[in-house]
Amino acid sequence: DGGITQSPKYLFRKEGQNVTLSCEQNLNHDAMYWYRQDPGQGLRLIYYSQIVNDFQKGDIAEGYSVSREKKESFPLTVTSAQKNPTAFYLCATEGVANEKLFFGSGTQLSVL
Amino acid sequence: SQQGEEDPQALSIQEGENATMNCSYKTSINNLQWYRQNSGRGLVHLILIRSNEREKHSGRLRVTLDTSKKSSSLLITASRAADTASYFCATVLYGNNRLAFGKGNQVVVIP
Repeated sequence: DGGITQSPKYLFRKEGQNVTLSCEQNLNHDAMYWYRQDPGQGLRLIYYSQIVNDFQKGDIAEGYSVSREKKESFPLTVTSAQKNPTAFYLCATEGVANEKLFFGSGTQLSVL
Repeated sequence: SQQGEEDPQALSIQEGENATMNCSYKTSINNLQWYRQNSGRGLVHLILIRSNEREKHSGRLRVTLDTSKKSSSLLITASRAADTASYFCATVLYGNNRLAFGKGNQVVVIP
């Protein structure tokens, strides 16, 4: 997990609330990704960014938003429009394109 | 989109035995990667095999790729309790610069 810090480790959301998950990296990687993992499932791509000030929707972007104002940071906001937000969220960076992803240690989001 | 599908989904073995997992995919790939995930943690990259390679080794890991059958296998030799984890295959499709992950194989190594 080294080089990528996700916080918090655990997060609870009340109904109607927006919450933001933090992802910071010191690997100097251009590309960053957000994945959602449900129990017994693989990873599904939410958003990705290949360069600062640019990002693209992944396969399940509805109810989520991101920003990429700095190379080191790629926060994910889970909005109230996301009706089933309970999941394990993973942030990743990529050095050489299509070669290897480096993952953070994840944030477990639960609904109160 | 999910392309890689691992088989079997769960595997329980004794320490010292070999563990083999398979992954199938549907379309042409650029490369295929295997990752390990310990419970409640992020994924860790294990090994990458390119579409023009048939076999690759890394320590106790051996990966094969059969592009005619669109399948890959991951063999862990002489398993240890520390190998207990979920293992995911992920593919990079031609013309697509994103990884597609399978659902994962849970491996339990009994000491």
